[in-house]
Amino acid sequence: KQEVTQIPAALSVPEGENLVLNCSFTDSAIYNLQWFRQDPGKGLTSLLLIQSSQREQTSGRLNASLDKSSGRSTLYIAASQPGDSATYLCAVSGAGSYQLTFGKGTKLSVIP
Amino acid sequence: AAGVIQSPRHLIKEKRETATLKCYPIPRHDTVYWYQQGPGQDPQFLISFYEKMQSDKGSIPDRFSAQQFSDYHSELNMSSLELGDSALYFCASSSSQGTGANVLTFGAGSRLTVL
Repeated sequence: KQEVTQIPAALSVPEGENLVLNCSFTDSAIYNLQWFRQDPGKGLTSLLLIQSSQREQTSGRLNASLDKSSGRSTLYIAASQPGDSATYLCAVSGAGSYQLTFGKGTKLSVIP
Repeated sequence: AAGVIQSPRHLIKEKRETATLKCYPIPRHDTVYWYQQGPGQDPQFLISFYEKMQSDKGSIPDRFSAQQFSDYHSELNMSSLELGDSALYFCASSSSQGTGANVLTFGAGSRLTVL
């Protein structure tokens, strides 16, 4: 059974800092990996999708990398802003069964 | 672009009542997934349907049932509601064909509160 772990569980940084969120998964036979953002009590906003054949994806100040063989992904946020404060969830999709398995998330607070 | 539509957005029920959530996938998407996210928890996979047939089953309680209809919309039926069923319920859809195949797109969720 796939298990997804996110470290740290919570992170507080001053505005303007660059930061890295970590995600690890136990079964490397994945189809894709997605990073989501979730504001309190709200829905899931997809940030970046990395297919299993890809190494990284970039969108604006966000960069996600994937090392499938080691079962790791990182989400890099450059020049953090207070508006980036949210919970960031990592989720992996299995090959053949495409439903997503989520990590418990990293709660990010960016202090002005 | 059309997104995944969920209704109702909010629902309040009493214990032991029944609730039904609806999900309308993105047009031409053939697969629907249901997730449950309790307070402070990560989303947990409940069940999925492909071409109106159940394709995968997760941690769905026996009190819950779901189906996908001929127009591809799906309904999640929850009976004998318990306080612990209070959660945000997400529906996602995907297409098994073309570019972006099997990439899930999520709806905004339905918040169920059981009193």
